[in-house]
Amino acid sequence: EAGVVQSPRYKIIEKKQPVAFWCNPISGHNTLYWYRQNLGQGPELLIRYENEEAVDDSQLPKDRFSAERLKGVDSTLKIQPAELGDSAVYLCASSVQGDAEAFFGQGTRLTVV
Amino acid sequence: DAKTTQPNSMESNEEEPVHLPCNHSTISGTDYIHWYRQLPSQGPEYVIHGLTSNVNNRMASLAIAEDRKSSTLILHRATLRDAAVYYCILRGRSYNTDKLIFGTGTRLQVFP
Repeated sequence: EAGVVQSPRYKIIEKKQPVAFWCNPISGHNTLYWYRQNLGQGPELLIRYENEEAVDDSQLPKDRFSAERLKGVDSTLKIQPAELGDSAVYLCASSVQGDAEAFFGQGTRLTVV
Repeated sequence: DAKTTQPNSMESNEEEPVHLPCNHSTISGTDYIHWYRQLPSQGPEYVIHGLTSNVNNRMASLAIAEDRKSSTLILHRATLRDAAVYYCILRGRSYNTDKLIFGTGTRLQVFP
């Protein structure tokens, strides 16, 4: 069975440009997370979905970040416009709600120049 | 969100046991204790979790203090592939608290 799939793996953009990340969770997983991980730090939760509902987006910088999860399956995280400080690895994870194990994708490494 | 405290780094020799401590004095009665690890250039991966009793699986053992304010992840025989950052996380069980909040973790170095 395929794990959590993220694309692209790497992205380099100029500041002020938009960027989008895509995540395909494991089939049947109703919980989906987006995390941001800066170098040397632990992952920081940006948003959590239960099915198509964003139940926790308190850490999402809403002035420039947006996310959607259409039909409760795939999800997209967007940044517009990107800033230099947005350079990080963006991780997607999925799980069955209330289940023990969350599965993470390999992440998208974003570099803003 | 309940917080955890872990040492920044630890070292071990290959084939020796490793005990990774975690303090979580503000744990609530319904929080599970989860451990994840992150290998270089990879996303985190689940290791083990528990509520009150000690737990064993193929990867590790989890020892939970009787008052649940601390726990220890035990790798019985460290290998070079166990070199990673280990995160201790408290995860709630309710709809609003079912989330994984990572700290800075413990970086484990394993020497041959």
